[in-house]
Amino acid sequence: AQSVTQLDSQVPVFEEAPVELRCNYSSSVSVYLFWYVQYPNQGLQLLLKYLSGSTLVKGINGFEAEFNKSQTSFHLRKPSVHISDTAEYFCAVSDSTYGGSQGNLIFGKGTKLSVKP
Amino acid sequence: ETGVTQSPTHLIKTRGQQVTLRCSSQSGHNTVSWYQQALGQGPQFIFQYYREEENGRGNFPPRFSGLQFPNYSSELNVNALELDDSALYLCASTQYRTGNDEQYFGPGTRLTVT
Repeated sequence: AQSVTQLDSQVPVFEEAPVELRCNYSSSVSVYLFWYVQYPNQGLQLLLKYLSGSTLVKGINGFEAEFNKSQTSFHLRKPSVHISDTAEYFCAVSDSTYGGSQGNLIFGKGTKLSVKP
Repeated sequence: ETGVTQSPTHLIKTRGQQVTLRCSSQSGHNTVSWYQQALGQGPQFIFQYYREEENGRGNFPPRFSGLQFPNYSSELNVNALELDDSALYLCASTQYRTGNDEQYFGPGTRLTVT
């Protein structure tokens, strides 16, 4: 069965500092990987996705992630964070059983990013 | 903001009651998925509907059921509510099998069971 592990439940960081949010997955089949952001009292917004091709994926709001098959990781990075990046971030893998990248998503438990001035 | 809407925003129910949550998918989308997000957890897949039929189901008991209508809107019904059903319920819509892989999430319905 596929699973996702987000290694840090909370990450505090100062404004303009770089940040990395870690995500590891387990899967025996081709994977489709996603990062979502959730602001307080809101739904999920897609930051970026890896389906195939280049292992370095660029997303919205200056975020990027690198797919590493040998380490089964998909870490999210941003070189300089802003106060407005304070939110909860979820890594997810698509269960391809139900139709490729549009199958049901399996989420990690989330990482709360707190950006301090 | 996505074009996915959910109603109601908040709901309080008593244990043993039944509840219906509603979701309107983004225009042009034919597939709706439902997720349960308990406090402090990531969302968990409940089920997915494609063209009015269930297209996959997660590890949830039969008292969680759903419908999809010809206009692709959807309902999530939960019978015999339990305290552990308290959660944020999210729906997500997508255009299945077109190569557009993104699932667009609504803002969620916060259900509290007392």
